[in-house]
Amino acid sequence: EAGVVQSPRYKIIEKKQPVAFWCNPISGHNTLYWYRQNLGQGPELLIRYENEEAVDDSQLPKDRFSAERLKGVDSTLKIQPAELGDSAVYLCASTRGGSTDTQYFGPGTRLTVL
Amino acid sequence: AQSVAQPEDQVNVAEGNPLTVKCTYSVSGNPYLFWYVQYPNRGLQFLLKYITGDNLVKGSYGFEAEFNKSQTSFHLKKPSALVSDSALYFCAVRDADTGRRALTFGSGTRLQVQP
Repeated sequence: EAGVVQSPRYKIIEKKQPVAFWCNPISGHNTLYWYRQNLGQGPELLIRYENEEAVDDSQLPKDRFSAERLKGVDSTLKIQPAELGDSAVYLCASTRGGSTDTQYFGPGTRLTVL
Repeated sequence: AQSVAQPEDQVNVAEGNPLTVKCTYSVSGNPYLFWYVQYPNRGLQFLLKYITGDNLVKGSYGFEAEFNKSQTSFHLKKPSALVSDSALYFCAVRDADTGRRALTFGSGTRLQVQP
């Protein structure tokens, strides 16, 4: 079974530029999460999808961040415009959707904003 | 609100010795508890979880963890450490009694196993 796939693995941009991250969850996993991991910290949730519906986006900075999961499979997270403080690792995770399911994480995208 | 504390930034242990990585948690309801490991430039890899039942949970690579409700702890243990166990370990919790599925993570503990 293939794991969670994320791309790109690394991204370096100038501040005020836009950037997008892509995630393809494990096949059959209906629930998809985006987390942000700042240096030296644990991941923090940005948004959770159940199929194509965003059911928990309370921690997503909506002024500059957006996300979509149009067909309920892969997802894109966008930042526009990026700020220096957005430098972090962006992790995608997925589960089948059960309440006790384990979240399986992708390798992450390391974003550096200069 | 839910939270996790990992009181040690780093744990050093000699290869072959037992290791313990500490974790305490706080949730309003019943906890679901998880341990993940992170190697450099890699995502989080699942080790084990406690949902219900036996307080001693066995997981991947010889790791185990003991759920202690009275002490609100979920310490990660391994009887004999390997150099390859050196990595960053995260404890995570979510409240089983709410619909919010997001995990709350601790700040991580770096495990260094010396040969």
